[in-house]
Amino acid sequence: GAGVSQTPSNKVTEKGKYVELRCDPISGHTALYWYRQSLGQGPEFLIYFQGTGAADDSGLPNDRFFAVRPEGSVSTLKIQRTERGDSAVYLCASSLNRDNYGYTFGSGTRLTVV
Amino acid sequence: AQSVTQLDSQVPVFEEAPVELRCNYSSSVSVYLFWYVQYPNQGLQLLLKYLSGSTLVKGINGFEAEFNKSQTSFHLRKPSVHISDTAEYFCAVTLRGGSEKLVFGKGTKLTVNP
Repeated sequence: GAGVSQTPSNKVTEKGKYVELRCDPISGHTALYWYRQSLGQGPEFLIYFQGTGAADDSGLPNDRFFAVRPEGSVSTLKIQRTERGDSAVYLCASSLNRDNYGYTFGSGTRLTVV
Repeated sequence: AQSVTQLDSQVPVFEEAPVELRCNYSSSVSVYLFWYVQYPNQGLQLLLKYLSGSTLVKGINGFEAEFNKSQTSFHLRKPSVHISDTAEYFCAVTLRGGSEKLVFGKGTKLTVNP
């Protein structure tokens, strides 16, 4: 596609449930990033993929958060046992390759845990 | 670890007035610097970036920024703003040679009034 696509755009879930957020990067982009943006804050880094592997997952807040990118394109961010504090906009970005610094961001998924 | 401080959370200006959005960073090693704009319910859009070379960087929509290493600043400027410039602006840094994850400031809400 022409841009980074994130689905769903909005997700409301009950506390304790499991959710999956999907990111479809620009075709051919090898680098993929997940960020979390809480209300009134700047985005915070979660995880970086180069190809299929997670090159840097230092931003994942705890073991309830996990992300995969099995074929080096689409990525899924998975959150187990959701908590109200997980409510935020989850942003995905992709880049053509390392050292490009030409990130393109998706519009995000707004997750609300009630 | 690097950090970014955006000194103003909100900046109101009148249309056609000049504006400066301030950004200071902290890092013990060399960094690359970015400014992003976020319109309501949209993803982040790159305005400009400093990787190397001239310290005065020109971006889209008439914005420019100047990298000042001695003052560890990267302030964003526009000589004459339009109503359509109303948005949230984020300054970000990444380490040279690192994983390319971005560290963002908390953002500055620019409101352009008629």
